[in-house]
Amino acid sequence: EAGVTQSPTHLIKTRGQQATLRCSPISGHTSVYWYQQALGLGLQFLLWYDEGEERNRGNFPPRFSGRQFPNYSSELNVNALELEDSALYLCASSRTGIEWTLHFGNGTRLTVT
Amino acid sequence: DQQVKQNSPSLSVQEGRISILNCDYTNSMFDYFLWYKKYPAEGPTFLISISSIKDKNEDGRFTVFLNKSAKHLSLHIVPSQPGDSAVYFCAASPRRVDSNYQLIWGAGTKLIIKP
Repeated sequence: EAGVTQSPTHLIKTRGQQATLRCSPISGHTSVYWYQQALGLGLQFLLWYDEGEERNRGNFPPRFSGRQFPNYSSELNVNALELEDSALYLCASSRTGIEWTLHFGNGTRLTVT
Repeated sequence: DQQVKQNSPSLSVQEGRISILNCDYTNSMFDYFLWYKKYPAEGPTFLISISSIKDKNEDGRFTVFLNKSAKHLSLHIVPSQPGDSAVYFCAASPRRVDSNYQLIWGAGTKLIIKP
C-alpha cells in the first residue's frame, strides 16, 4: 500500500509570492489534514478536509487556504508569503470519521527568503 | 495556552535501559491519546495509543501509562535500542472524531540512545 505522498519535497520562494503544496492520501482514506511544523515547535494544525469539504481550520490567517479534489488529493496554498511561513508542512490522511490515527507524508520544506 | 506539554526537549538513555517520555495535558475533555515517532526528513509515524477507559496499553517494547487524575501520560520503551533515537510527539483529543475537535500536539521530546 502506497503511503501519503507530498510534493514538492523542497520549495524556495521569496516574500510576497504564493506557494502551492500537494498531497495524495493513502488509497481509501478520505480525510486529509495539513500541519505546519516550524523549527523547534510541535505540529500546528492548519486545515482538515473530508469528502471535499473543509471540516475544521486552525488559528492561521486566511492567506492559508486549500482544497480537496474528488480523488481526495489535496492542495495547500499560501498567499503573500512571509518569512515566518518558513517551515515543514506535513500532510496526513485517515479514514473518515473513524479514527484519529493519522498517516503522515514526509512533508514539504518551504523556505521563504 | 499549551494544552499538551512535553517538558523535556531532549532525553539521553543508554542502550538496553528503559526510556521514559512524559506528557502532561490540561484539557479534561481529552480522552484519547497517541504517541508518534519522527525521524529526520520523514513524517511522524504512529506508535501507540490509549483511551481514558484504560490506564495502560502495551505493544511489544512500548507501553503507555495514563494517570487521569494527574492529567499525565508516559511512554516507556524497554529495552531501548539505537533505532529508537527519534523525536517523540504526544497528541490528545476527545475520543469522538468530530469536526469540532482536532488533535492537539506536544512540542516533542528528542530521544537519543547512546551505544
